[in-house]
Order: sequence, then C-alpha cells, then structure tokens
Amino acid sequence: SQTIHQWPATLVQPVGSPLSLECTVEGTSNPNLYWYRQAAGRGLQLLFYSVGIGQISSEVPQNLSASRPQDRQFILSSKKLLLSDSGFYLCAWSVYLVRGIASYEQYFGPGTRLTVT
Amino acid sequence: AQRVTQPEKLLSVFKGAPVELKCNYSYSGSPELFWYVQYSRQRLQLLLRHISRESIKGFTADLNKGETSFHLKKPFAQEEDSAMYYCALSGGSYIPTFGRGTSLIVHP
Repeated sequence: SQTIHQWPATLVQPVGSPLSLECTVEGTSNPNLYWYRQAAGRGLQLLFYSVGIGQISSEVPQNLSASRPQDRQFILSSKKLLLSDSGFYLCAWSVYLVRGIASYEQYFGPGTRLTVT
Repeated sequence: AQRVTQPEKLLSVFKGAPVELKCNYSYSGSPELFWYVQYSRQRLQLLLRHISRESIKGFTADLNKGETSFHLKKPFAQEEDSAMYYCALSGGSYIPTFGRGTSLIVHP
C-alpha cells in the first residue's frame, strides 16, 4: 500500500535561517507531488506541484522553493525564513490513472508545523 | 477559472441534529468533486467523491449541476463527526481547487 511521510513534524527556526522540509512517498511510482500551506480560515494554499523529477511549478511567488531530486521525494526549502513563513505545511501525492481510469483525488502527509521566531 | 466556495467557516450543531455543509463551485466543464476531512490530530483524508455516489460514515453528497453545488449531508450528527471539512474541485486536471473549509462542531 502507498504511504507518505513528512519530516520533521514540528520545527522552530529563527528569522533568516534556512529551511528544508522533506516528503517521501512509498508504494507508487511517478506520482504527482504537491506542497500546500494550511492556515486557519484560509483553507489550503497550493505552493508547488511536480509531475516528474526536476519538474517544479510554482503557484505563488514567495520566499520558498521546491525540488524533486528523486521520483518519490519532494523538498520544500528556503534560504532565509521570514516570520510570515510560519504555518502548517502539507505534502500530498496523486496519480493520474488508477487502473486505467483518470483519478484526481489526493493523499496527504501528516504535515509539518513551522514556527519562525 | 475554477472556484470553490464554502460559505460557513464554522457550523455548530447538537448530537442527533441534521448536518449540511455547503459547497458551491464555479467551473464551465464537468467537474470532479470531493469532500476531504481532517479530524483533530489526524491527517487530511478523502471522505467521499461525487462519482462514487457513496455514503461514508453516514455522509452523502449530491452534485447539483443546476445550482452548481455539492453539499455534504448527514441526517444525524455524531460527536465524532467534529472536524474540518474541505470541498475540492478538479476540473479535469491534477491541480485541484480547495474551498476554505468548514469547521464542524457537534455538541453532546
């Protein structure tokens, strides 16, 4: 079965420090991968998505970047954190076809709570 | 452009009362609609999808193309239904649009 992992679960970082959040998926190949930020009352904000190794699309210009060095690994980074980067970050995956049928549902990781101080 | 609107940030009901979480969408084509749920200290997960026309944990959701709605309903709410609910739309792509979410609180 497929599983998705995120780490760390929580992180407290000072302003101006770098960031690296990691997400890995097991049990599937060539997944679509996503990074979201979840804020109370503001829903899920899609930050980045990737359809393959090295292919990254950004939805919102900001202080963050993403990379996909391997098929099932997705990394969210920043060179210098801002206070406004605090939040709850979710990684998700999906596959386009399930048994030959288009599928659009997503599967989410447990999330990382980032606090920038 | 596609849009999902969940007009209620918070819905508070008593146990045993009917529940309806509203979701309206804007999309010119044939939408794929989903409800996701996030219970306290658990990850966000799929609750149901409109193409399955299924009932999960007593919840149902019917796609009404005339009213462009996909409301989530349950006839008798339970305390364990308390959670954050998100409506999502995929307009034939792998980039979904999520609503802002509705927090459901079921009081004993």
